[in-house]
Amino acid sequence: TQLLEQSPQFLSIQEGENLTVYCNSSSVFSSLQWYRQEPGEGPVLLVTVVTGGEVKKLKRLTFQFGDARKDSSLHITAAQPGDTGLYLCAGRSSNTGKLIFGQGTTLQVKP
Amino acid sequence: GAGVSQSPRYKVAKRGQDVALRCDPISGHVSLFWYQQALGQGPEFLTYFQNEAQLDKSGLPSDRFFAERPEGSVSTLKIQRTQQEDSAVYLCASRFQDNSPLHFGNGTRLTVT
Repeated sequence: TQLLEQSPQFLSIQEGENLTVYCNSSSVFSSLQWYRQEPGEGPVLLVTVVTGGEVKKLKRLTFQFGDARKDSSLHITAAQPGDTGLYLCAGRSSNTGKLIFGQGTTLQVKP
Repeated sequence: GAGVSQSPRYKVAKRGQDVALRCDPISGHVSLFWYQQALGQGPEFLTYFQNEAQLDKSGLPSDRFFAERPEGSVSTLKIQRTQQEDSAVYLCASRFQDNSPLHFGNGTRLTVT
């Protein structure tokens, strides 16, 4: 069974601070995605990383895919209250194509 | 519509009742997924369709759960004899093809009393 472990599960920080969320697995994924979910809504895709070692930037968010394609990180610089939400990593199984999600990281950014 | 539509938005069922949750994917999307999500947790995979074929139903928690997509578009997730532990948000998602982004609906919140 392919599992994704996210850490930390909860993060409460002040506006302007930096943070990193980790997503780890013992399995190799063909690609890994990061989603953000707000209360009462479905997850919304932020980025997809495909190549081992790949780094993608989305404004203040930096995403990295591990060289072995087993882990990923999301770094947020100068967090803002609008960044508050549930952040989810999801790995695409090479065999079946289904998307497996981590447990999520709940981020609260206080003004 | 422009996005994935799920209905009803909220459903309250008494324990033992049967429920049916509907998902209208984005037109033309081949793949359709159902997930179950507890509060503050990541979505748990339930089942996956490619067109009308159910390719993977390994995540369905018991034989009380049944999903179908008879014409390869709209899908229904049916839960028979609901139990309290079935209370959760049920998310549907669709994608155009294998490497395309997954688009989620806003979910159906099921509460079993």
